[in-house]
Amino acid sequence: GAGVSQSPSNKVTEKGKDVELRCDPISGHTALYWYRQSLGQGLEFLIYFQGNSAPDKSGLPSDRFSAERTGGSVSTLTIQRTQQEDSAVYLCASSFADSYEQYFGPGTRLTVT
Amino acid sequence: GENVEQHPSTLSVQEGDSAVIKCTYSDSASNYFPWYKQELGKGPQLIIDIRSNVGEKKDQRIAVTLNKTAKHFSLHITETQPEDSAVYFCAASDSGGYQKVTFGTGTKLQVIP
Repeated sequence: GAGVSQSPSNKVTEKGKDVELRCDPISGHTALYWYRQSLGQGLEFLIYFQGNSAPDKSGLPSDRFSAERTGGSVSTLTIQRTQQEDSAVYLCASSFADSYEQYFGPGTRLTVT
Repeated sequence: GENVEQHPSTLSVQEGDSAVIKCTYSDSASNYFPWYKQELGKGPQLIIDIRSNVGEKKDQRIAVTLNKTAKHFSLHITETQPEDSAVYFCAASDSGGYQKVTFGTGTKLQVIP
């Protein structure tokens, strides 16, 4: 079946611009995670959504980062006033509510020039 | 929260040899330990996991061991093949109130033909 999809696959933006990254989770998965992976680094947790519960935003690095999940499905990660240090691969993952197993999308590579 | 350390950061082995990656964790309440494999340009994919009530688990050429007393766990790959070349991440469950895991920093494995 269809896996987690993310768009765009690559995004180049100028410093100071806003960007939106999209994630389409696997149908039926109620949990959704966003991670940031900087070059050669591990997976940095950003935000978690579960059904209609309040999201866990504890990993967002600054107030320039925000995310929403509409209708319990598609999620958008927004970065305002991008900085060069925001350059990274942004990964989305989804899972069933009671499962630890996360299914990852291919990621969006963001480059801020 | 949980803290996961992973070693080595890079590992080169000859085809057919074994590879071992080690991780330690800090939270004694962690009870779930997955391993993910990330191939170039793709998102991580779960390859094997272990729960705290088990000391070892095998799946064909890969095995994981867990020492709860010492709070460390390891991934063992035997008879390595070129297609095993990838970045491997360990993770440990986080007592964040839901199915959250904290990832290690990754090990880049290169299998030399």
